[in-house]
Amino acid sequence: QKEVEQNSGPLSVPEGAIASLNCTYSDRVSQSFFWYRQYSGKSPELIMSIYSNGDKEDGRFTAQLNKASQYVSLLIRDSQPSDSATYLCAVSMTTDSWGKLQFGAGTQVVVTP
Amino acid sequence: EPEVTQTPSHQVTQMGQEVILRCVPISNHLYFYWYRQILGQKVEFLVSFYNNEISEKSEIFDDQFSVERPDGSNFTLKIRSTKLEDSAMYFCAIWTSGKVNEQFFGPGTRLTVL
Repeated sequence: QKEVEQNSGPLSVPEGAIASLNCTYSDRVSQSFFWYRQYSGKSPELIMSIYSNGDKEDGRFTAQLNKASQYVSLLIRDSQPSDSATYLCAVSMTTDSWGKLQFGAGTQVVVTP
Repeated sequence: EPEVTQTPSHQVTQMGQEVILRCVPISNHLYFYWYRQILGQKVEFLVSFYNNEISEKSEIFDDQFSVERPDGSNFTLKIRSTKLEDSAMYFCAIWTSGKVNEQFFGPGTRLTVL
């Protein structure tokens, strides 16, 4: 069974600090990797996509991918209370995002003022 | 402006009844998807639909489920005989390309089976 694993949390982060989220995946042929944010009762919304090894930065967010270790992470810098949500790691077998997404269970992040 | 809307936002039904969940994309898209999320659990892939055909389906998507695009715009998910365990949020997603290629999720339909 191909799996995407995340720590469920909650991850408590002081306002202004860095939140570090981790995700591992079991299928080596995975090609595309995504971080979605989901507020309670809402639909997932895409934060970052990453396709090749290394770091990718977008504003306060940095995604890191290591295909050899089958590991993808998300850093949230200068965490704000509005960042309090569940962060979902998702993986696709396709080189773009049109293939089905396999999701992890999500990590709940709580940013405390 | 949202790329996709879903109706109804909440559907309550009796076990054994048929339900139809609708997804309305704002503009033309080729790829459509249905996912579901049981309360407190992970988002699960159900089915993908490309060029008016099912391109892939999960083991969850059994004979009780069907999808179609009846009028070329709306995209529907039908559950023929609902079970208690079908209670979940059902998300329609579209694949959108541009500055970012992504699967964009609709707001979801909460299905409650009593």
